[in-house]
Parts: sequence; C-alpha cells; structure tokens
Amino acid sequence: KAGVTQTPRYLIKTRGQQVTLSCSPISGHRSVSWYQQTPGQGLQFLFEYFSETQRNKGNFPGRFSGRQFSNSRSEMNVSTLELGDSALYLCASSLRSGGEETQYFGPGTRLLVL
Amino acid sequence: GDSVTQMEGPVTLSEEAFLTINCTYTATGYPSLFWYVQYPGEGLQLLLKATKADDKGSNKGFEATYRKETTSFHLEKGSVQVSDSAVYFCALGPNTGNQFYFGTGTSLTVIP
Repeated sequence: KAGVTQTPRYLIKTRGQQVTLSCSPISGHRSVSWYQQTPGQGLQFLFEYFSETQRNKGNFPGRFSGRQFSNSRSEMNVSTLELGDSALYLCASSLRSGGEETQYFGPGTRLLVL
Repeated sequence: GDSVTQMEGPVTLSEEAFLTINCTYTATGYPSLFWYVQYPGEGLQLLLKATKADDKGSNKGFEATYRKETTSFHLEKGSVQVSDSAVYFCALGPNTGNQFYFGTGTSLTVIP
C-alpha cells in the first residue's frame, strides 16, 4: 500500500499571499489530521477531518482552514501568510475503525514565507 | 485533559550506550501509546506502539512498556547506533475524543 503523500514538498511564498497544501491518505483511511512543526513550538495540532467533516480543531487563527473530499484527500489553506507561518506542515491519516487507531505520517510540506 | 510529557533533550550518547527517553501521560480511560521517530528532513515514522496496560512494543531494538500504575511509556534501547540519531516523539492515541496528543520531542545524537 502506498503511504501518505503530500504535495508540494517545498514551497516559498511571500507575506500576504495564500497557500494550499494537499494530502492523500493511505488507501482506505478516512481520517486526516494536520500538524504544524516549528523548532520553537514543536508539533502542534491544526485540525482533523473524517468523512469530509472537521471533528477537531487546534488553537490556530481562522487564516488556517482545511477541507476533505469524498475520496478522503485533504487540503489545507493558509491565507494572508505571515513570516511565522514558516514551518513543516505534516499530514497524518488513520483508519478510524472504531477500535485501535494508529496515525501514519506523510513526509511533510516545508513552507518558507519571505 | 489528555497530555503527554516527554523528557527534554537534546541527548548525546556514544555508540553502543544504553538509551532511555522518559515519557509520562495523563489520560482518562485506556488510550494506545506510541513512539514515533523523525529523521532529518522527513516526516514522523511509527517506531512502536502498545494498546493496553503491560503491553510491550518493540521494533529495531527499541522497546517500551505501557505502565498504567506509573502512567509511563519510556523508550529504551540497549545499544544505540549512529543511525539512531533522530528526534523521538511520544504520543497518546484517541481516548474519549478523536485527537492524538504528542510530546515535544527528544533529539538524540549518537557519536561514534
């Protein structure tokens, strides 16, 4: 089975722009979570989607948004980029079978805001 | 609420030394526990997991035992290698809610 894929892998934007990142989960996985990783703040939870519905949301401003499509692929969008948004954005998928759950991560998208 | 507290780093060890990275958790119920590893420039990879009390997860020489009485899940390896240099994350699986909780990560450097 193919793993979690994220595109693009690297991105350079300037302040004020917006960006869309994409995540394709492992086949059959219905839950997708997004995390922001920075050297100073560590791994911070952004949001989680399941069956096209956002079920959990972390403590991030409304500039950060996401969605999930019927095939479980997910996108996250950051509008009005700030320098502090420079980070590695990680996507993780899990089966959500109702029993034991394990998250599997993609390689991440490294975003640099200039 | 649920949370994970992980040993602060960085940790520097000589090759073949014994490794322990401490992890304790706070949770109601019986969540699964995980260790993930992140190599430079990559995403997190699942290293091992345990789903119930007294379970031992193991992989690539690493081990961790789910201790409910001490709410701990410490990562150990008997003899580290240079290739083990990475950042290690302890994590708590979904419990009463749907969210995973991660520790702050512990950076390990193994020197020859």
